[in-house]
Amino acid sequence: DSGVTQTPKHLITATGQRVTLRCSPRSGDLSVYWYQQSLDQGLQFLIQYYNGEERAKGNILERFSAQQFPDLHSELNLSSLELGDSALYFCASSVGSFEEGTQYFGPGTRLLVL
Amino acid sequence: AQTVTQSQPEMSVQEAETVTLSCTYDTSESDYYLFWYKQPPSRQMILVIRQEAYKQQNATENRFSVNFQKAAKSFSLKISDSQLGDAAMYFCALGGGSQGNLIFGKGTKLSVKP
Repeated sequence: DSGVTQTPKHLITATGQRVTLRCSPRSGDLSVYWYQQSLDQGLQFLIQYYNGEERAKGNILERFSAQQFPDLHSELNLSSLELGDSALYFCASSVGSFEEGTQYFGPGTRLLVL
Repeated sequence: AQTVTQSQPEMSVQEAETVTLSCTYDTSESDYYLFWYKQPPSRQMILVIRQEAYKQQNATENRFSVNFQKAAKSFSLKISDSQLGDAAMYFCALGGGSQGNLIFGKGTKLSVKP
């Protein structure tokens, strides 16, 4: 158990819908990262938040957004869902900026868009 | 751009034997970190081992060790006394420097034969 929690574990929804994925980092960790794992794209970095502020952005679609709240939990919002958004979404956390710590991954949320 | 290459899509090892998984990377950063993550069928991403680029000594964690060749930009993982529970996808990852996210290779699927 990494100490990072993600909810829900599984999500099935329809095209065009909007979903919210939630992540709670390990106690004491200030950084949260979101990754997408799909069969064709592998593991792709989406976005990083550090202590409530956006720190780095990867190949995140405009239909996707995220935020980190004062209690440091983070939410990833996916809207206007398409079939291709079906993937495993991971949240990871680290103590501070990347240079200060290793990233520990949550169990992931499996999203299936029908 | 930073890249990570795992040239062995699949590997197989006999239980109790030793296996080495290969990884090469490219980066222009002078300060970076390398990781091996294990992803069993549960899809959880589990940190196996971490190597700081500034350290010459190869990292070890119980049965897992790395051969870090900085000049050759090579970072292989050796698993000794392989166990059935070692069967998983193994991902090599690069991070640090000016960006916070991890860059992952495409993974090597390891099978362990009893």
